[in-house]
Amino acid sequence: GESVGLHLPTLSVQEGDNSIINCAYSNSASDYFIWYKQESGKGPQFIIDIRSNMDKRQGQRVTVLLNKTVKHLSLQIAATQPGDSAVYFCAERITAGGTSYGKLTFGQGTILTVHP
Amino acid sequence: DTGVSQDPRHKITKRGQNVTFRCDPISEHNRLYWYRQTLGQGPEFLTYFQNEAQLEKSRLLSDRFSAERPKGSFSTLEIQRTEQGDSAMYLCASSFQGSSYNEQFFGPGTRLTVL
Repeated sequence: GESVGLHLPTLSVQEGDNSIINCAYSNSASDYFIWYKQESGKGPQFIIDIRSNMDKRQGQRVTVLLNKTVKHLSLQIAATQPGDSAVYFCAERITAGGTSYGKLTFGQGTILTVHP
Repeated sequence: DTGVSQDPRHKITKRGQNVTFRCDPISEHNRLYWYRQTLGQGPEFLTYFQNEAQLEKSRLLSDRFSAERPKGSFSTLEIQRTEQGDSAMYLCASSFQGSSYNEQFFGPGTRLTVL
């Protein structure tokens, strides 16, 4: 997608289409990845997560793919609906010294707009 | 509604004033996090509690910021001598250490505007 005034990538789709949102993460030591959906004026809402020992995980209408070789994460939304319109963030967690504090590092968000 | 609540939802203050925000996590969650989010950016980690102990603080947390979780339940975040650069959404999240994925649930946030 192209950048907008807020410097976030955007993705516009028609209702019923499949959407793919991409994310590049920064740290090869990250062991856990999450996708969050954030609607205007609300906090991030958990969508789906995946551990580094997996390369694919499916939920209801959503699939997360993890490619550790290129440090890339993607979120696929099937049959996108207008209610899916939001900003989507990927986040990574790093386990430090065997104790995971759970601190999340968020990537740049993507604005998804679904047209009826 | 995730079960994490924050109060107030909005706060407008003048530069130099002190402000305090409150977070009530999901009741059985022993971990509590504070994040800050500015417009167009993802949330940035500020600090983390396990029960009442504050175990990690980001370098973003200047000495004007202080957070407490006195009884291991609710938490407060105080900003002293606010500056315009403090204007942001302050998010609280909680998680349960014993869960397999330790997923974090976020509250609705407190939007701070410093005039």
